[in-house]
Amino acid sequence: EPEVTQTPSHQVTQMGQEVILRCVPISNHLYFYWYRQILGQKVEFLVSFYNNEISEKSEIFDDQFSVERPDGSNFTLKIRSTKLEDSAMYFCASLDRGGGNEQFFGPGTRLTVL
Amino acid sequence: GEDVEQSLFLSVREGDSSVINCTYTDSSSTYLYWYKQEPGAGLQLLTYIFSNMDMKQDQRLTVLLNKKDKHLSLRIADTQTGDSAIYFCAESISDYKLSFGAGTTVTVRA
Repeated sequence: EPEVTQTPSHQVTQMGQEVILRCVPISNHLYFYWYRQILGQKVEFLVSFYNNEISEKSEIFDDQFSVERPDGSNFTLKIRSTKLEDSAMYFCASLDRGGGNEQFFGPGTRLTVL
Repeated sequence: GEDVEQSLFLSVREGDSSVINCTYTDSSSTYLYWYKQEPGAGLQLLTYIFSNMDMKQDQRLTVLLNKKDKHLSLRIADTQTGDSAIYFCAESISDYKLSFGAGTTVTVRA
C-alpha cells in the first residue's frame, strides 16, 4: 500500500541553525501539507501546497518557514533559524482529492532544538 | 472559526464498546475524520465521513454525525488492548486543511 515517508525520523539541532525536513508524498497525490505537534498538544496546521505554490498558511508559518517541491517526488519544509519553541513533531500529509479525500500522514520527524 | 473539542480520557474494559465524542464549530466542514496515534508513532487514518451523511460503519468502527448539533462520535465495538491509543477528531474546511481536536487517550484495561 502506498504511504507517505519522511526523513529524518529525528533531527537534533542548535538554536539558530537551519533545518530541512523531507517528505515523499504518495505519488499520484496533488495536495501536500505540513502540520506540527508540540509535545502533549494538538496537531496544528502549518501550510498547504498545491500546483507548485502555497495555497494556505497558518499564522505559525512565518518568514522563518518555507516549503518547496524541488522535483517530482520530494516536498520539503525549511526552518531558516530554529528557535527552542520549534521543537515538535512535524508531520507531512498528502491528499488525492479525486480519490475520496483521504489525507494520509507520514510517520513524522521529531525536531529537537537545543 | 475552527474549534474542535474532545474529552481527554476514556477508560474501557476489554471486550466492551468505546464511544469517543467530538464537537466542532464550523458548519462549513465538508469531511470529518478520525485518526489514531499510538505512542511515538504517526497519525493513522481510521475513517472519515462526508458531512451529508449521518452514519458510516467500517468493521468494528461506527461513526455517527449529528450535523445540527455539530457532534461526531466514534464507536469501537469489542475494544481490544491494541485499541489503546490517542484518537483525534478532525474537521476539513478550506483547501482540505485539517483542524484537530486535542485527542482522547483511550486506555483498555483487561
